[in-house]
Amino acid sequence: NAGVTQTPKFRVLKTGQSMTLLCAQDMNHEYMYWYRQDPGMGLRLIHYSVGEGTTAKGEVPDGYNVSRLKKQNFLLGLESAAPSQTSVYFCASNTGTRQYFGAGTRLSVL
Amino acid sequence: SQELEQSPQSLIVQEGKNLTINCTSSKTLYGLYWYKQKYGEGLIFLMMLQKGGEEKSHEKITAKLDEKKQQSSLHITASQPSHAGIYLCGAAASGGYQKVTFGTGTKLQVIP
Repeated sequence: NAGVTQTPKFRVLKTGQSMTLLCAQDMNHEYMYWYRQDPGMGLRLIHYSVGEGTTAKGEVPDGYNVSRLKKQNFLLGLESAAPSQTSVYFCASNTGTRQYFGAGTRLSVL
Repeated sequence: SQELEQSPQSLIVQEGKNLTINCTSSKTLYGLYWYKQKYGEGLIFLMMLQKGGEEKSHEKITAKLDEKKQQSSLHITASQPSHAGIYLCGAAASGGYQKVTFGTGTKLQVIP
């Protein structure tokens, strides 16, 4: 039982490049989330999903897209990366009584 | 949208002292989570509160949700250097656990 797994762990992009962050959970959770954490700050919700095939916008969705084609996977895409998207990205899944978090992805956009 | 405000934003305490961190919501909370994060690392689940007036403890950390379910406090007794880190409250608004947002975080330093 791996919990929530994020790939990659680190990535450096140039402005304008695209990439996809993958989140996988093996706990059969319905709810999944993508957050970003900027230095010295709390977590801000980017997008979330309440089940396979569904997605919804969070607090800071601009510049990101998501997909939940399979229940266990939640993908976060950056179509044209900008320096403002330099951050640590956390994925989570939820049972209701607890949010389970991945280890995070450190993304730098130069 | 729901906003969670934490206070203080940062705190420096002497080892052995007690401290309290507050988390205030603009809306009634459906569920309130507390997490701890060591600098540069992932999030550690502390506890979850759901009922008004509920209080839970985890080692020397106690959290309470007020009766109106719009504020939670986290209290650390006899702080230790191992308590240092960022404390985050997260909450689901009324209606379910679909959308979970987090507060701004409180940085805690414990001086030996």
